[in-house]
Amino acid sequence: GESVGLHLPTLSVQEGDNSIINCAYSNSASDYFIWYKQESGKGPQFIIDIRSNMDKRQGQRVTVLLNKTVKHLSLQIAATQPGDSAVYFCAEISPLGGGGNKLTFGTGTQLKVEL
Amino acid sequence: DAGITQSPRHKVTETGTPVTLRCHQTENHRYMYWYRQDPGHGLRLIHYSYGVKDTDKGEVSDGYSVSRSKTEDFLLTLESATSSQTSVYFCAISDTSGSVFGPGTRLLVL
Repeated sequence: GESVGLHLPTLSVQEGDNSIINCAYSNSASDYFIWYKQESGKGPQFIIDIRSNMDKRQGQRVTVLLNKTVKHLSLQIAATQPGDSAVYFCAEISPLGGGGNKLTFGTGTQLKVEL
Repeated sequence: DAGITQSPRHKVTETGTPVTLRCHQTENHRYMYWYRQDPGHGLRLIHYSYGVKDTDKGEVSDGYSVSRSKTEDFLLTLESATSSQTSVYFCAISDTSGSVFGPGTRLLVL
C-alpha cells in the first residue's frame, strides 16, 4: 500500500456506524477548507469544502463542521461503508502569487471500516 | 480523473541521473501544480504554473525545475536525482477553487 499510510492516526469503525475525523489548522486567517479522500494508489479526491462564513455544510452522507474559535474542522461520515476506507486529509486553501491556490495539507487520518 | 494523466506512473532511477515527469490535462485549466507526498509530511507544493511559461516556486522547490510550454502540459524535472527525492509525485489542476489531482507517479531513486 501507500507509504503515506505509515505513522498516521487511525480511526476504526464498524460498518454502518458514523465516523468523525478531526483536523486542527493553524492560520486564523484561513477562510477556505477542503476535505480530500485518498485511496491506496490513487490521488486525493475532493469530498466537500467549506468557507469561513459558514460553520456547517452537508453533502451526500458527509458533513463538515468548522469551529473558527478553536481552529478546528471535522468531517462526519454517516453510515460508514467499506468503500469509505481511505486516508482523509483536510486542506487549508491560500492564494498564490499570480493566482491559483495553494493547498496546505495535514498529515491525514486513516479510516478503517470493519465488517 | 480522466482529465489529468501523469507519466510515467512508476520509475526507478539512479542517483545523479536527470528525471522528467509529465502531467497532461484535457480540462484547459489555467493553474497546474506539482506536489510530493511523503510519510509524516502530507502533500507539499513543489512548483506551480499560472499560465503558459508562467511558473513559480512552492515550499520544497530545491532540486526541481518545471516548464509549461502548452496549456495542457506541465513538466517536472529533477536535474540530478537524489535519494531524498524518492517520493510519490502528484500533479493537480484548478480553475478558481479546489484542486483536482492526478493519479500520481511513484519515483524511487537508488
